Amino acid sequence: ELKVEQNPLFLSMQEGKNYTIYCNYSTTSDRLYWYRQDPGKSLESLFVLLSNGAVKQEGRLMASLDTKARLSTLHITAAVHDLSATYFCAVDPLRGNEKLTFGTGTRLTIIP
Amino acid sequence: EPEVTQTPSHQVTQMGQEVILRCVPISNHLYFYWYRQILGQKVEFLVSFYNNEISEKSEIFDDQFSVERPDGSNFTLKIRSTKLEDSAMYFCASSGGTGGVDQPQHFGDGTRLSIL
Repeated sequence: ELKVEQNPLFLSMQEGKNYTIYCNYSTTSDRLYWYRQDPGKSLESLFVLLSNGAVKQEGRLMASLDTKARLSTLHITAAVHDLSATYFCAVDPLRGNEKLTFGTGTRLTIIP
Repeated sequence: EPEVTQTPSHQVTQMGQEVILRCVPISNHLYFYWYRQILGQKVEFLVSFYNNEISEKSEIFDDQFSVERPDGSNFTLKIRSTKLEDSAMYFCASSGGTGGVDQPQHFGDGTRLSIL
C-alpha cells in the first residue's frame, strides 16, 4: 500500500524567512502533485511534477521531485502572510488519471 | 477558467437517511473522482469513474455507497444509510481533458456532510 508522509505537520514561521516542506512516498512513482487548501475551502493545484529532477517555481514557492529518493520538496522563499494555508502533496502511482494518495498535510502559519 | 461545481455546499441529515451529493465536472474531462476529508485530517480517495463505470474504489467505498453519471453533465455520490462516521467534507474532482494525462485533478469546493 502506498504511503505518503509529509513533514513537518505544523510549521510556524516568520515573514521573510525560508523553509522547506518534505514529502516522502513509499512506492515508485513519477507523478507528484502539490495542492494548497485554505481553511474550509477546496484544494487548489499548485504544481505538477512528472519526472525525476523536475523543478517548478511559482512566485515564492518552488517544488522539486527526486524519484530515486522518492522525495519531493516544497520550498518557500521569503514567506509572506498570504502563504498561510495547509499544503498537501499527492502521488499518482500509475499512469495518470488514477486515484491520488494524499500526504498528511503541512499546516503553515506565517507570523508577521 | 472552467470549474468543478458541487451542490449542496452543506447537507445535514439524520443517521440512517439516504443522501445524494451532486457534482458537475469540467465539461471536457473524462475521469471523475470522489474524495472525502474528515475534519482536520488528510484527503482520502473514495472512487474513480471512467467510461461510465467505476475504475477503482477504496475500502471506504462499501455497499452503502454508489456513484452515477445520470446524464452528460452530472456525477453523483449516494450514501444509502448514513452513519455518524460519514460526517466529512466530500470533494468531487475531474481530470483528463484535452490537456492530456499530465494535468492535475481539479477539485470542487466540496459538500460538508453532517450526520446527526
